[in-house]
Amino acid sequence: NAGVTQTPKFQVLKTGQSMTLQCAQDMNHNSMYWYRQDPGMGLRLIYYSASEGTTDKGEVPNGYNVSRLNKREFSLRLESAAPSQTSVYFCASSVAGGSYEQYFGPGTRLTVT
Amino acid sequence: EDQVTQSPEALRLQEGESSSLNCSYTVSGLRGLFWYRQDPGKGPEFLFTLYSAGEEKEKERLKATLTKKESFLHITAPKPEDSATYLCAVQPGGGSYIPTFGRGTSLIVHP
Repeated sequence: NAGVTQTPKFQVLKTGQSMTLQCAQDMNHNSMYWYRQDPGMGLRLIYYSASEGTTDKGEVPNGYNVSRLNKREFSLRLESAAPSQTSVYFCASSVAGGSYEQYFGPGTRLTVT
Repeated sequence: EDQVTQSPEALRLQEGESSSLNCSYTVSGLRGLFWYRQDPGKGPEFLFTLYSAGEEKEKERLKATLTKKESFLHITAPKPEDSATYLCAVQPGGGSYIPTFGRGTSLIVHP
């Protein structure tokens, strides 16, 4: 099993450009999450999908959109990138929400100039 | 508002020198407290889940404990390969899917 995979690993964008971060899991998990991690800020939840067909905002959703394409895949889109979105983005999945542990992907390092 | 505070921010140990990392939390109805390990340039890796005060879990040189206000990650006779950032997270009750993460403790174990 590959676990949670993310593409791309690195990306540089110019202000105003758009891009989609891809995430897939092969553990048959119901819930999936997108986080960003910034120095000194810890992990902050952007959006999550409790189950296939549902998505909800997390702590910092502004400037992002998500799509739960199917049970395996959960994508994060930046419509008009801003320098404040420079960060490391992690996708995670869990059996279900709540009291279950999360499994994280390797991350995408995004720089917006 | 749920809060998680980890201390110390950074810890340097000599190989074999045991110590503890602290995670203090305030949460409305704890459903679970999680410990993760994160190596540089990688995603967090799940270590333990604790559900209720008094619970303990062990894995190799690591032991996690839980009280009503804090959790400790005890590291016994650490080795250089234990060097990493250790993250604590709490999951509130009430049907929330949003965990709150602490900022982590960066541990360096010198040979």
